Amino acid sequence: DVKVTQSSRYLVKRTGEKVFLECVQDMDHENMFWYRQDPGLGLRLIYFSYDVKMKEKGDIPEGYSVSREKKERFSLILESASTNQTSMYLCASRGVAADTQYFGPGTRLTVL
Amino acid sequence: SQQGEEDPQALSIQEGENATMNCSYKTSINNLQWYRQNSGRGLVHLILIRSNEREKHSGRLRVTLDTSKKSSSLLITASRAADTASYFCATDETGRRALTFGSGTRLQVQP
Repeated sequence: DVKVTQSSRYLVKRTGEKVFLECVQDMDHENMFWYRQDPGLGLRLIYFSYDVKMKEKGDIPEGYSVSREKKERFSLILESASTNQTSMYLCASRGVAADTQYFGPGTRLTVL
Repeated sequence: SQQGEEDPQALSIQEGENATMNCSYKTSINNLQWYRQNSGRGLVHLILIRSNEREKHSGRLRVTLDTSKKSSSLLITASRAADTASYFCATDETGRRALTFGSGTRLQVQP
């Protein structure tokens, strides 16, 4: 089975802190994604990566950056956390010839 | 951008009843997928229907797709309390690498 893991289930940070969310997948998938999920808004795509060191902006990239130095790992970075970034963050991966996305368990981030 | 819009936003039924959720989308798609999310967890893939298919079954799940109306429905038959979750449709749009998700339907199945 595909396994996507995220470094933390719950995280509490202060405004202005730099925050790193880590995601690791074990199926050698080329594509990896970061979404944020907010009540009533569903999942919104922040960034995705289709290869090592390659990245593309999603629909809401402002305030975020990403890093993909190894194929299995995709990091989401909040350079200076703000309260409006309090949300559930979901990582997903997908093989290049596959249809299905596999999700991690999510990180619930609270910015105080 | 939010492509899929689910309807209703919330649904409460009794165990044993059928649950129907609808999804509408706006652009050309390769396939449409349904995912389930238990409270506070990640999403799990349920079923996929391709643009040239009209209906698909998997166990107690039945999905239909009408590309002329740009809509899909997910039917869960003989629901169980364990079906309580949020259900999301996701579209695989032509030329876009990532799936686009709707806002979801919260299903509550009362025992």
